[in-house]
Order: sequence, then C-alpha cells, then structure tokens
Amino acid sequence: QKEVEQDPGPLSVPEGAIVSLNCTYSNSAFQYFMWYRQYSRKGPELLMYTYSSGNKEDGRFTAQVDKSSKYISLFIRDSQPSDSATYLCAMSADFQKLVFGTGTRLLVSP
Amino acid sequence: DVKVTQSSRYLVKRTGEKVFLECVQDMDHENMFWYRQDPGLGLRLIYFSYDVKMKEKGDIPEGYSVSREKKERFSLILESASTNQTSMYLCASSLIGQSSYEQYFGPGTRLTVT
Repeated sequence: QKEVEQDPGPLSVPEGAIVSLNCTYSNSAFQYFMWYRQYSRKGPELLMYTYSSGNKEDGRFTAQVDKSSKYISLFIRDSQPSDSATYLCAMSADFQKLVFGTGTRLLVSP
Repeated sequence: DVKVTQSSRYLVKRTGEKVFLECVQDMDHENMFWYRQDPGLGLRLIYFSYDVKMKEKGDIPEGYSVSREKKERFSLILESASTNQTSMYLCASSLIGQSSYEQYFGPGTRLTVT
C-alpha cells in the first residue's frame, strides 16, 4: 500500500465549477501537508501549505486537513481554464523529506 | 525571481552509458533534491543533500549516485544507464528548517534510455 493515495483523474469540469481534490494517507506521523500545482512541461510549484489539522484559505483555494481520517482536500472555487494542471498532494513528518501523491489531472473547460 | 535550472530538457542515451544530470539553483538554498516522476507512481525521491558534500539516500537510490561540490550545484549520475531509468527527472531546492516544505523545482529533464 502506498503511503499517499491520490486519484489520477482526469477530472473534467466546466468553468466556474467548484473542484474538490483529495488525498488519503497511512502514516500518522505526517503533520505538514502541501498542495503543489504542475503545469504541462513545467516543474511543480507550491500552492498551499497546512500544518496539522484544520482549514486554510487563499483566494479561490481552500486546503483542509482531517488527521483523524487521514484525509486532505483542496477546494477550488470558481474554477478557471488556467487552473487546468496536475495537482499533487505532498506530506511530511519532518520538513525535510516530502512524500508526494501521484497527482490528479484537472481539466477546466471554457 | 527564484530559479532552478537543469542542464537539459531532453536527453537520449544508450544502455550502459554514464549519464550526468546537472542542477543549479540561485537562491542560496541549503537543501537540494533529485526526484524522478513516472505515470502512476508520482514523484519519488532518489537522493537529497542538505549541505555541500553531504548526501542522503531517498526512496529509490539504486542505480544512481550524486555529487554536491558547491552549494548551488547538485548532480545526479547514472553510472550505467538502463532502460528502466527512462523517466522525467526533477531537481528541487529549499531552505533548511521550517521553510523546507517549500521546494522550488526545475523544469525537468526527460531522459530516454534506448
């Protein structure tokens, strides 16, 4: 079993939809949770960071962590075609080493 | 603007060749990382380094070695390339300590071994 599970998609939505992306994990030592976004032919870039449980909001993006269920989510409101990318969850127990999910490919159509 | 550069975007090598992948960062970051990215497997850590001349094995170090002689440069070496090392290779760097979760990635090198 992988430490981090993520549905690869693709997830296709119309412009303006609310998008929900999710990851589950098995290692209870993880306490730092991140979402990276990767556009085609580019390296990933950090989108959101959350420490421990709770919610964090940044513009149209909201990250949620439920440590009791070992489940994290990223919500995108009012999705735009420019949000079309692969979204990678990442987690860490100790800052240094990140464990990544496989990524979910999101397609937002105009 | 922060920058991580990788020596090649595309590389084709033959089985058994020695391959060098170079990564340079201009942010004075202590940590540097090498990952490979494969469909269905995501990013997997090969090696990382938290200081000059220091290195730590990641999850899949077999068949690879690394070199860090200068703070800004981290090299990945495939001693004898094999077809199962065909992949996208991504280099990243980060600060040490509480900000180390923010890794800055290069654009990647797509390596094909024939």
